[in-house]
Amino acid sequence: DAKTTQPTSMDCAEGRAANLPCNHSTISGNEYVYWYRQIHSQGPQYIIHGLKNNETNEMASLIITEDRKSSTLILPHATLRDTAVYYCIVRVGSNYQLIWGAGTKLIIKP
Amino acid sequence: GAGVSQSPSNKVTEKGKDVELRCDPISGHTALYWYRQRLGQGLEFLIYFQGNSAPDKSGLPSDRFSAERTGESVSTLTIQRTQQEDSAVYLCASSPHHLPTDTQYFGPGTRLTVL
Repeated sequence: DAKTTQPTSMDCAEGRAANLPCNHSTISGNEYVYWYRQIHSQGPQYIIHGLKNNETNEMASLIITEDRKSSTLILPHATLRDTAVYYCIVRVGSNYQLIWGAGTKLIIKP
Repeated sequence: GAGVSQSPSNKVTEKGKDVELRCDPISGHTALYWYRQRLGQGLEFLIYFQGNSAPDKSGLPSDRFSAERTGESVSTLTIQRTQQEDSAVYLCASSPHHLPTDTQYFGPGTRLTVL
């Protein structure tokens, strides 16, 4: 199974873009990259996912390198409510398990 | 519409007792997942239900853990003879199908504390 590595924590100023990196160097060709976030004491919330192409939705953008060994989640204009733990995960197997790491704790500062 | 709900939100029990945790998925979602999250860690997969297929129990840590699901609705996770290491937040998620692109929608979790 592919594993992901992320920084333990990051800070970002409110209103600036938050760029969260993720390495998934052993990812296979059919494995999707997913990003979820977890605000304190809540269940995880889906943000975005991708396979090969860059993706954008109302919450964020996902940039995947051409070799698919790493990706970056971009929150274009971070707000205080974006303070959370952000998980970069890959979806594998016939039951489409999500393999979770420890995530990046993102702190948005005023 | 209603999201995934779980009950109870908090459960404190004594070592050796049995506990039952409940998950109500989003109506119409055929796939249901249970995860465990220990303090400060990511989620650990426990079990997966998809429609009427046999569940994937590969993540259950021991035979003290079991889960059932009635059709495509409510699921219960049972932990027998609880141990202190079972203390964690137990999260349930559902998704409309089981395709690679299906998003999992999570409930708020049940915080289990075993004294």
